[in-house]
Amino acid sequence: QVQLVESGGGVVQPGGSLRLSCGASGFMFSSFAMHWVRQTPDKGLEWVAFISYDGSNEDYAESVKGRFTVSRDNSKNTVYLQMNRLRAEDTAVYYCARGAHEFEYWGQGTLVTVSS
Amino acid sequence: DIQMTQSPSTLSASVGDRVTITCRASQSISSWLAWYQQKPGKAPNLLIYKASSLESGVPSRFSGSGSGTEFTLTISSLQPDDFATYYCQQSNNYPRTFGQGTKVEIK
Repeated sequence: QVQLVESGGGVVQPGGSLRLSCGASGFMFSSFAMHWVRQTPDKGLEWVAFISYDGSNEDYAESVKGRFTVSRDNSKNTVYLQMNRLRAEDTAVYYCARGAHEFEYWGQGTLVTVSS
Repeated sequence: DIQMTQSPSTLSASVGDRVTITCRASQSISSWLAWYQQKPGKAPNLLIYKASSLESGVPSRFSGSGSGTEFTLTISSLQPDDFATYYCQQSNNYPRTFGQGTKVEIK
């Protein structure tokens, strides 16, 4: 069965960096686009980033553009989110999700807390 | 960016009730609309895609309709497992955007 497992969350100081990973299993990872979506109680669900099946295309929310980078390693069935210059407002649960349009499968989420 | 507005924000209903949630887009998104159910501490779960297509494994009491800018999610007979928060999401273009959510509570 399809499984997505995020890791790498934690507490980081403002201005710091963190790299999230999402390991995939149960499907042909190299055939599917992947996304990162975050959620906070205040702002709800917010799409963060997209990467195409082969890594040739990416897109980002304006709120993270220039600070976050999405990448993937199809040999390791893993998608990454490198988060730099973190701000308090980046505090959220971060999910990876599979899908070209709708998000068919989601991971369990990993909590990122940006605080001094 | 396309703004997605759901109504109501909270809905109180009883088991067996017919429930309808509305989602409006700030511009036409054709049929590129999905609905999700989320329970506390869990990831969202896809219910409906392309406005009216039922995701595999989702009970048939859930249905979706609409196109352009106005969409609805209907639960024909509310079951105890359906008390949750529901979100719409447009996939017509980037950035993908979500509605603010509708919490379905027990009356």
